[in-house]
Amino acid sequence: EVQLLESGGGLVQPGGSLRLSCAASGFTFTTYAVSWVRQVPGKGLEWVSTISGSRGNINYADSVKGRFTISRDKSKDTLFLQMNILRAEDTAVYYCVRRSWDDGGCFDYWGQGTLVTVSS
Amino acid sequence: EVVMTQSPATLSVSPGERATLSCRASQSIKSNLAWYKQKPGQAPRLLIHDVSTRATGIPARFSGSGSGTEFTLTISSLQSEDFALYYCQQYNNWPLTFGGGTKVEI
Repeated sequence: EVQLLESGGGLVQPGGSLRLSCAASGFTFTTYAVSWVRQVPGKGLEWVSTISGSRGNINYADSVKGRFTISRDKSKDTLFLQMNILRAEDTAVYYCVRRSWDDGGCFDYWGQGTLVTVSS
Repeated sequence: EVVMTQSPATLSVSPGERATLSCRASQSIKSNLAWYKQKPGQAPRLLIHDVSTRATGIPARFSGSGSGTEFTLTISSLQSEDFALYYCQQYNNWPLTFGGGTKVEI
C-alpha cells in the first residue's frame, strides 16, 4: 500500500525557515516523481515543486523559486522541502504527492498534509 | 502558464441526479488532464486521469471526456458521498496547474 506521511509543519515567523519531511512507503521511491502541493485553508490547490524519479530533475513554482528547495534521501525513501524566507502567503497545508510515473503524470497518491502557519 | 477554468463554481443537485462539471484550459493540454475529489478535512483523491481513465477503486458512475482545451466530468447518479469539491488539473506543461474547483452540493 502506497503511503506518504508528512511532518515538520508548524508556526514560524515571517522571514523564518522550516523543513518539511515526507516518509514514503509501499513503492520504489526512485521510480516515481514526487511533489509538494499546497492549499491555503478554504482555498484551491497550488503545485509547489517536483523532483523526478530516476534523474532527479527539479521544477518549482515561480512563487517559491529561490526560497524553497526540494530534495530527497533515497536511502530513507524520504522527500524534503526546505522553506526559507517564509511569507504570510506561504501559510497553507502542504501535501506530499506521488506522480503516476518517473517523470510526469497525474498526482495519484496524496499524504494527509502538514499545516504551515507563517505569522508573527 | 496554462490557466484552468472550472464551471460552475457551485453545482446544486439532488441525490440520484446527473452532475456535469466543466474544465477549460487556456491552451491545448492534449489528454494530460486529471480530476480530483476533496471532502472537508481530507486530502484530495484522484478520480480520473488521462481525461477518461478511472483511478483504482473509482465507481463507474464517474466518467470523463474531452480533448485539447475542453473537458467534462460527469457523475451519472449522485450518491451522498459524492457531495464534495472537485478539481481539474493539467500535467502537460510546467507549471502544473489546477482549476479553481467546483463544489457539488445538495
